[in-house]
Amino acid sequence: QKEVEQNSGPLSVPEGAIASLNCTYSDRGSQSFFWYRQYSGKSPELIMFIYSNGDKEDGRFTAQLNKASQYVSLLIRDSQPSDSATYLCAVNMGYGNKLVFGAGTILRVKS
Amino acid sequence: NAGVTQTPKFQVLKTGQSMTLQCAQDMNHNSMYWYRQDPGMGLRLIYYSASEGTTDKGEVPNGYNVSRLNKREFSLRLESAAPSQTSVYFCASSEQPAGGGDTQYFGPGTRLTVL
Repeated sequence: QKEVEQNSGPLSVPEGAIASLNCTYSDRGSQSFFWYRQYSGKSPELIMFIYSNGDKEDGRFTAQLNKASQYVSLLIRDSQPSDSATYLCAVNMGYGNKLVFGAGTILRVKS
Repeated sequence: NAGVTQTPKFQVLKTGQSMTLQCAQDMNHNSMYWYRQDPGMGLRLIYYSASEGTTDKGEVPNGYNVSRLNKREFSLRLESAAPSQTSVYFCASSEQPAGGGDTQYFGPGTRLTVL
């Protein structure tokens, strides 16, 4: 069973703080990794993807990948109330273009 | 450019009724997907179509059938709806036919309730 695990939260951070979201995956052969944001009642939208070990930065968002430890994380700097959402980690485990999704972490940014 | 569209947005069925969820994309993507999302369980793949003319089962295919009508359209059919199929259904599409792990774009979803 291919699995992607996330802490369901909620993760509460004050406005302006760094939010750190984590994800672990079971298949060592996994090739690509995605972070989606989903507002309540809406569809998932892509924030970032990462393929290689290390960090990838895009504005306030940084994705970090460690394939040896089989985890991927998302850092959100200067968190804003508008960042309050569920963050879904998705992993391509090498079977076509199929993604396996985690259950998501609820993030709450309090002003 | 509408992206991925789904119809209907909401649907209520009685147990045993059938219905078809429609999905279309205007991004000229090769691959299309149907997911269901239940509380606390994330998105689970029902069926996918790597390219026009092909379909394959995902994680939870039982009780569903699909048709890749053409490159743009991918429909999901419930032949005999059951309360366990109450869920939010998302259609998605991506450019690559297989491998590569490129981005999937999601439609707005269909909220289905089976009584």
